[in-house]
Amino acid sequence: EAGVAQSPRYKIIEKRQSVAFWCNPISGHATLYWYQQILGQGPKLLIQFQNNGVVDDSQLPKDRFSAERLKGVDSTLKIQPAKLEDSAVYLCASSLTFGTGSSYEQYFGPGTRLTVT
Amino acid sequence: KQEVTQIPAALSVPEGENLVLNCSFTDSAIYNLQWFRQDPGKGLTSLLLIQSSQREQTSGRLNASLDKSSGRSTLYIAASQPGDSATYLCAVHGSSNTGKLIFGQGTTLQVKP
Repeated sequence: EAGVAQSPRYKIIEKRQSVAFWCNPISGHATLYWYQQILGQGPKLLIQFQNNGVVDDSQLPKDRFSAERLKGVDSTLKIQPAKLEDSAVYLCASSLTFGTGSSYEQYFGPGTRLTVT
Repeated sequence: KQEVTQIPAALSVPEGENLVLNCSFTDSAIYNLQWFRQDPGKGLTSLLLIQSSQREQTSGRLNASLDKSSGRSTLYIAASQPGDSATYLCAVHGSSNTGKLIFGQGTTLQVKP
């Protein structure tokens, strides 16, 4: 079974530029998550989708970050304009669904390491 | 607000030692707790998931325990090997029922040959 795919793996941009990340979840997984992991910290949820609807985006900085999952499969996360503090690893995860029970177990992709200079 | 803390932040042990990693959380109303492993430059690999009704889970040399009432979990690694060197993260699935995981900051383990 193919895992969660992410691209690019690495990206270096200057502040105020824009950047986009792509994620393709495990086939059949309805729930998709984007996490931000700053160096030395644990991942923090940015946004969660169930199919193509948003479940939780309470910690997404909406003035500069946007995400979409138009067909309920793959997803893109965009930052515009980027700030120095956006330097982090952006992790995508997916699960069959969400809620209680083992079917919500999340599987993570390799991440995209963003450096903003 | 749920907060997850992992102690110690870093640990170095000689090969063959048994070791314990600690995780504490402030709100005992959780659905489950999950331990992950993260290798440098890689994503997260799930090691063990403990449902709120369970007290422990085992997989090979790994054993994770959960004490909801005290807000604590431990990950026990038996007979450590250099290949166990990685960052270990614990995460709780809180009471929001959205699947959101709240992570600790991780413990970076080095096992020396």
